[in-house]
Amino acid sequence: VMTQSPISLPVTPGEPASISCRSNKSLQHTNGFNYLDWYVQRPGQSPQLVISMGSDRASGVPDRFSGSGSDTDFTLKISRVEVEDVGVYYCMQGLYAPRTFGQGTTVEIK
Amino acid sequence: QVHLVESGGGVVQPGKSLRLSCAASGFTFSAYGMHWVRQAPGKGLDWVAAISYDERNENYGDSVKGRFIVSRDNVKNILYLQMNSLRAEDTGRYFCARMDTTTSLDHWGQGTLVIVSA
Repeated sequence: VMTQSPISLPVTPGEPASISCRSNKSLQHTNGFNYLDWYVQRPGQSPQLVISMGSDRASGVPDRFSGSGSDTDFTLKISRVEVEDVGVYYCMQGLYAPRTFGQGTTVEIK
Repeated sequence: QVHLVESGGGVVQPGKSLRLSCAASGFTFSAYGMHWVRQAPGKGLDWVAAISYDERNENYGDSVKGRFIVSRDNVKNILYLQMNSLRAEDTGRYFCARMDTTTSLDHWGQGTLVIVSA
């Protein structure tokens, strides 16, 4: 079970934002890697990978996005929110079958 | 450039079957695992199924296990999802996605809409 918080996150452009994702089981493999991804679904679009393996930014993702955490607790941070960052952010675990998503966090502009 | 295009969605009665396709291009399809993810109207993402690059391994979400079958044609570069015994709760947009070497879903299609209704 993946639990995200908050469910809704109103933000002011230029301000930071942070989303939490917690798993009821450890997502750290014996190889040391954490199998936790972050995806964003912007309005009217397909989901897009933002962060893989807990902290690796996907290709083309701005460096204002960062992922951190290990084991069961993970965080996605946006250092300075821009208008184009609005959307629903999901965490997903990739260590256990079946894969599971968090319920999503809606980032919106105040 | 990676390109994934889903098709086969539509309106179907409960209990009936439907087969979705996902045409892949711009990469060596036979080298990548592939996934299906769905999204009910106004709801979050729900992982459906996955198949390994060589078709040897398949995994299914609990809500579709025993009703859906994922397969692929590595010659035609097409991913399939055979959906049987459809229920109203299977209604939603179905996305195919490529799994990269870190097991993340790095490319997604635009999705195809399935509506299960009498």
